[in-house]
Amino acid sequence: EAQVTQNPRYLITVTGKKLTVTCSQNMNHEYMSWYRQDPGLGLRQIYYSMNVEVTDKGDVPEGYKVSRKEKRNFPLILESPSPNQTSLYFCASSLSTGGRGYTFGSGTRLTVV
Amino acid sequence: GQQLNQSPQSMFIQEGEDVSMNCTSSSIFNTWLWYKQDPGEGPVLLIALYKAGELTSNGRLTAQFGITRKDSFLNISASIPSDVGIYFCAGQGAGTYKYIFGTGTRLKVLA
Repeated sequence: EAQVTQNPRYLITVTGKKLTVTCSQNMNHEYMSWYRQDPGLGLRQIYYSMNVEVTDKGDVPEGYKVSRKEKRNFPLILESPSPNQTSLYFCASSLSTGGRGYTFGSGTRLTVV
Repeated sequence: GQQLNQSPQSMFIQEGEDVSMNCTSSSIFNTWLWYKQDPGEGPVLLIALYKAGELTSNGRLTAQFGITRKDSFLNISASIPSDVGIYFCAGQGAGTYKYIFGTGTRLKVLA
């Protein structure tokens, strides 16, 4: 089944403790992206990647890092999480043209205390 | 970053009623998409539109690509309880892979 898989689905952590949210897609998509969803703000892009070793900042990149060492994987790294990074996170992927839109993962609900 | 204006922000309707929502942009788009997000899940693509004036249906859902290319509309006919969720529009401009998302319309259906 074609899908984007995120792990974990739920995570509670403490301020300052580094964490990684994994994302993997099995559709051979070139483009991958991370979004955060907050009430009233919709989906805001954090980082995106056009292909292996090619990444760039989205609209809200502060406090996040990403890497794209393999085409299928695009982990999101929070080096020193803070409470304002408590949010619902989505990974998405698409073909390079994006004409058929993104396929989204099921989300990761992160709480930073 | 740019976001699309989506309205209404939320709707409470009775089962069986029709629903209309829209999305507007200050920029011209070449592609409009409509997604639905069920509670606790990621957004799922409902309808894709590629041409100004295009009208496309998916079951009880009908979406239109506005003639000005700066807006799009989604209608749901005869709503049912499983229509509950958040509906997002997304637009893609010329020469870009990136989609801009609307802020979402939260729909609640009362049985």
